[in-house]
Amino acid sequence: AQKVTQAQTEISVVEKEDVTLDCVYETRDTTYYLFWYKQPPSGELVFLIRRNSFDEQNEISGRYSWNFQKSTSSFNFTITASQVVDSAVYFCALSESYSGNTPLVFGKGTRLSVIA
Amino acid sequence: DTEVTQTPKHLVMGMTNKKSLKCEQHMGHRAMYWYKQKAKKPPELMFVYSYEKLSINESVPSRFSPECPNSSLLNLHLHALQPEDSALYLCASSQAAGTSGSWEGYEQYFGPGTRLTVT
Repeated sequence: AQKVTQAQTEISVVEKEDVTLDCVYETRDTTYYLFWYKQPPSGELVFLIRRNSFDEQNEISGRYSWNFQKSTSSFNFTITASQVVDSAVYFCALSESYSGNTPLVFGKGTRLSVIA
Repeated sequence: DTEVTQTPKHLVMGMTNKKSLKCEQHMGHRAMYWYKQKAKKPPELMFVYSYEKLSINESVPSRFSPECPNSSLLNLHLHALQPEDSALYLCASSQAAGTSGSWEGYEQYFGPGTRLTVT
């Protein structure tokens, strides 16, 4: 069974601090995909990144970076020099390789508050 | 263009009303999704369409009736809803494989949602 755990329910940081959002997943499949989505107060989920299970390279996009480690089944997300606009709920999600499964299994989300 | 649009943004309806939610995308995606999201919870999948055919119905009550008139449009018809159905309803779309219709591994793009209140 697929499962995604985001142990941090809420995080509060002061602007310009770095913050890491944790994501741990469980799957029996060897081919799978991991995603991060951002949901600001407006409600729309914004796609941030997709990673497949065969690509363990870390990725950096501006102030965002992702650390994928299969050995620990983790796909953590770091925001460097956080800004107030980063305040949102962040969801980690998992998709397995065959279409019979639910397309996306979401974690419960981490609510990030960045204080000016 | 990575935009999914949804109308209306807000909807208040009584339990005896019939209303529809609409979703549109012009990204050429062939998989479309309806999700329900309650406050402080992750989205819950309701329906998946692939190539205009219903592929997944997550045991959703019949008072919710999806429709996919063409590859760009997805509707959700609502009838005789209950107050507990009040939620944010999100539409999403993604690519789907040409031969199998599979959506596996493709990222989904979400619309802004419809905030539904049932009185």
